Amino acid sequence: DVKVTQSSRYLVKRTGEKVFLECVQDMDHENMFWYRQDPGLGLRLIYFSYDVKMKEKGDIPEGYSVSREKKERFSLILESASTNQTSMYLCASSLDGLNTEAFFGQGTRLTVV
Amino acid sequence: KQEVTQIPAALSVPEGENLVLNCSFTDSAIYNLQWFRQDPGKGLTSLLLIQSSQREQTSGRLNASLDKSSGRSTLYIAASQPGDSATYLCAGGRSNDYKLSFGAGTTVTVRA
Repeated sequence: DVKVTQSSRYLVKRTGEKVFLECVQDMDHENMFWYRQDPGLGLRLIYFSYDVKMKEKGDIPEGYSVSREKKERFSLILESASTNQTSMYLCASSLDGLNTEAFFGQGTRLTVV
Repeated sequence: KQEVTQIPAALSVPEGENLVLNCSFTDSAIYNLQWFRQDPGKGLTSLLLIQSSQREQTSGRLNASLDKSSGRSTLYIAASQPGDSATYLCAGGRSNDYKLSFGAGTTVTVRA
């Protein structure tokens, strides 16, 4: 089975901190994604990567950056955390090409205080 | 942009009843349609993926159909159980895009 692992289930950070969310997949997938999920707004794509060191902005990239130095790992960085970034963050991966089956991690509930 | 709608937002049924969950999308150039399950506070679990060349997929008690011409997909869950209680989301992708567009989900409660 595909396994997508996010480094933390719950995080509490202070406003202005730099926050790193880590995601690792074990199935040699080319594509990796970061979403956030908020009540009433659904899942929104922040960034995605279709290859090592490649990244593309999603629908809501402002205030975030990403890093993909190795194929299996995709990191989401909040440069200066703000309270409006309190959310559930979900990482996903898929094999290659366009819109192959996506597999998600367990989610990270981030609270910024 | 692909818009995905799921109606109803919530559904409550007695155990044993068959469930029918609906998903509609605006762009008929859909490449595939994926159904997910999400338990409270957890990530998404992939249930079924239907490629654009397919009309349906089955896995155990689950069956999903795709009708591109009408812009609809339906997830059927046979003989529902309390353990089926969760939120079900559908997501569609276009042939020229890496992105998935998600519906808001249908929250299902199966009463014992």
